[in-house]
Amino acid sequence: NAGVTQTPKFRVLKTGQSMTLLCAQDMNHEYMYWYRQDPGMGLRLIHYSVGEGTTAKGEVPDGYNVSRLKKQNFLLGLESAAPSQTSVYFCASSPPLGAKNIQYFGAGTRLSVL
Amino acid sequence: SQQGEEDPQALSIQEGENATMNCSYKTSINNLQWYRQNSGRGLVHLILIRSNEREKHSGRLRVTLDTSKKSSSLLITASRAADTASYFCSSGAGGTSYGKLTFGQGTILTVHP
Repeated sequence: NAGVTQTPKFRVLKTGQSMTLLCAQDMNHEYMYWYRQDPGMGLRLIHYSVGEGTTAKGEVPDGYNVSRLKKQNFLLGLESAAPSQTSVYFCASSPPLGAKNIQYFGAGTRLSVL
Repeated sequence: SQQGEEDPQALSIQEGENATMNCSYKTSINNLQWYRQNSGRGLVHLILIRSNEREKHSGRLRVTLDTSKKSSSLLITASRAADTASYFCSSGAGGTSYGKLTFGQGTILTVHP
C-alpha cells in the first residue's frame, strides 16, 4: 500500500526559481492538505482541499499556490522561491465522513532555497 | 498562533520507564489526536479521543482528555528505545473547520536503552 507519496524528496532552489511539489494518494480520500514544518514551530497548514477542484487557504498561504485537478493529486507550487520558504513540506490526506478526521502523511519534501 | 502546546518540549527517560506528555489547546474541539514522528519521516496517527470521552487506551498508550481545562495527556507505559520520536497533539474542530487539524510544537522523547 503506497498511501501518500510525495515527490521530490529533496530539492535545492535558488531565490526566484519556481517549482511544484506533487502529492499523490491512493486511498480515495476527499480531503488533502499541505503543511510546512520548521524547527520549533510544529506543523502549519498552508492550503487544503475538501474535494476535486476545490482549494482553500490555511494558516500560512502567502507565496504558495495549489491545485486539485484530480482527486488523487494535490500540487503545491512556489512561483518565486524565497529563503523563508526553506522548510520541510508534508502532504496529508483524510476521509471526510464521521468524526474521525485522521490524517495520513507523506514522508515529506525537504526544500532549501539559497 | 499555535492552537496546541505540548509540555515538556523534550523528555529523556530510560527504557522501561513511563513517559507522560501533556497538551493544552485554546478553542473548543471535536476531537484530539496524537501523532508520532520519527526523525526524517512523516507523522503517523497514534490515537484519537473524542470530546465526549475522558480516557482511551491503545496498547501501551493511554490518553486522557479534560475539556474543562482544555488539556490532554499521553502516557506511554514501559517505554522502549523504539519509542524515541517526536509526539504531537492536534485538535480537530467541527463545523466549517471540519477536517482541519491544528498541531502543537511537539515533545521530543528520547528513550535510552
